[in-house]
Amino acid sequence: DIQMTQSPSSLSASVGDRVTITCQASQDINNYLNWYQQRPGEAPKLLIFDTSALETGVPSRFSGSGSGTQFTLTISNLEPEDIATYHCQQYGGLPLTFGGGTKVEIK
Amino acid sequence: QITLRESGPTLVKPTQTLTLTCTFSGFSLSTTGVGVGWIRQPPGKALEWLALIYWNDDKLYTPSLKSRLTVTKDTSKNQVALTMTNVDPVDTATYYCAHRPGFWSGYFSFWGQGVLVTVSS
Repeated sequence: DIQMTQSPSSLSASVGDRVTITCQASQDINNYLNWYQQRPGEAPKLLIFDTSALETGVPSRFSGSGSGTQFTLTISNLEPEDIATYHCQQYGGLPLTFGGGTKVEIK
Repeated sequence: QITLRESGPTLVKPTQTLTLTCTFSGFSLSTTGVGVGWIRQPPGKALEWLALIYWNDDKLYTPSLKSRLTVTKDTSKNQVALTMTNVDPVDTATYYCAHRPGFWSGYFSFWGQGVLVTVSS
């Protein structure tokens, strides 16, 4: 199985800050990497697919980058509604696997 | 507008068989490339992909649970079912079904609200 390691596991930042979350794959997954946002008590919501493609309706302050084994989700200007846990997911190999999640809180 | 909703028992006893149903609208599982997946999340833990069924009835399972899982579809009813045999307390989790828009689309674009299943005697 391809292991997905997210870091940090949690972070606290101020409104307006730039936030960066990383996801490392245990082997090359090309650009087959997606990001989801899960607000407290809600189901995950697709944010970014194929490393950097923004899902329709997702604010432009969210962006994704990377390739191979290293990937990044960036929130350029943190808003209060961005309080959530963020998950990466790879589909470069089966089984599909998710990272452990990164919980984002407001300072 | 695509929606999905999971239904099934919220409490099951160890060794029993769990059957969950996903009822969806806004898309058809007879459309080429479309799939529906099942993902679970134990309380406070990470997401875990379980199974995927495609429009052509191809099925994929996570290897660690393959012997216990069965996924089926009823295209006429817009439903997908997941059966898990011999449940254990470690199977306690919120179970989600999700829409996969295309065979080469590796993401889940819409998710149901989830159903929390507790395994306890």
